[in-house]
Amino acid sequence: EPEVTQTPSHQVTQMGQEVILRCVPISNHLYFYWYRQILGQKVEFLVSFYNNEISEKSEIFDDQFSVERPDGSNFTLKIRSTKLEDSAMYFCASSDAGSGNTEAFFGQGTRLTVV
Amino acid sequence: EDKVVQSPLSLVVHEGDTVTLNCSYEVTNFRSLLWYKQEKKAPTFLFMLTSSGIEKKSGRLSSILDKKELSSILNITATQTGDSAIYLCAVTINTDKLIFGTGTRLQVFP
Repeated sequence: EPEVTQTPSHQVTQMGQEVILRCVPISNHLYFYWYRQILGQKVEFLVSFYNNEISEKSEIFDDQFSVERPDGSNFTLKIRSTKLEDSAMYFCASSDAGSGNTEAFFGQGTRLTVV
Repeated sequence: EDKVVQSPLSLVVHEGDTVTLNCSYEVTNFRSLLWYKQEKKAPTFLFMLTSSGIEKKSGRLSSILDKKELSSILNITATQTGDSAIYLCAVTINTDKLIFGTGTRLQVFP
């Protein structure tokens, strides 16, 4: 069964460092997303990406965040200068027709710990 | 502000019990409601509901949407220990993002 894969599963970084979280969406999907879940809190939308550009972003997704689809398969989230409050589980998701029309499939997540 | 609320926050039952999880929403331009099961990490898709009153069923799980009451329920009959998880409700509006509730933590004991 096709799945969304994310690497690494766990990343520990020092405050102020840059991190890149990687995702390989399901191959025929066109819509890509990043969500995060701070421990004990709800899953929050960060950004959606379609046709090689950001289609929507939340207030959380400020200038320290960026996304890229550097080739035909990978979808990355970069956090430029990490803060303690960026510690969370980051989920990548993809769908074939937009999550309003069809279900979004989630990866296993990357647990980011900023120390 | 768009909002999704789930209840109860937590539920503890014995195997064989039937449970009903609730999700209510206050959003503009509602498009669909989705249920996900989150066991360890990734939310896994259960149901997507767009039309009121039409039950969706998968094995022991079923769900229905009530657009008049702005709510949905997820039923699990004859619960098993493998049903223990956090059940997430999410809503989409006229954009593409999912707006999640806080989830209901279900624990099923033998």
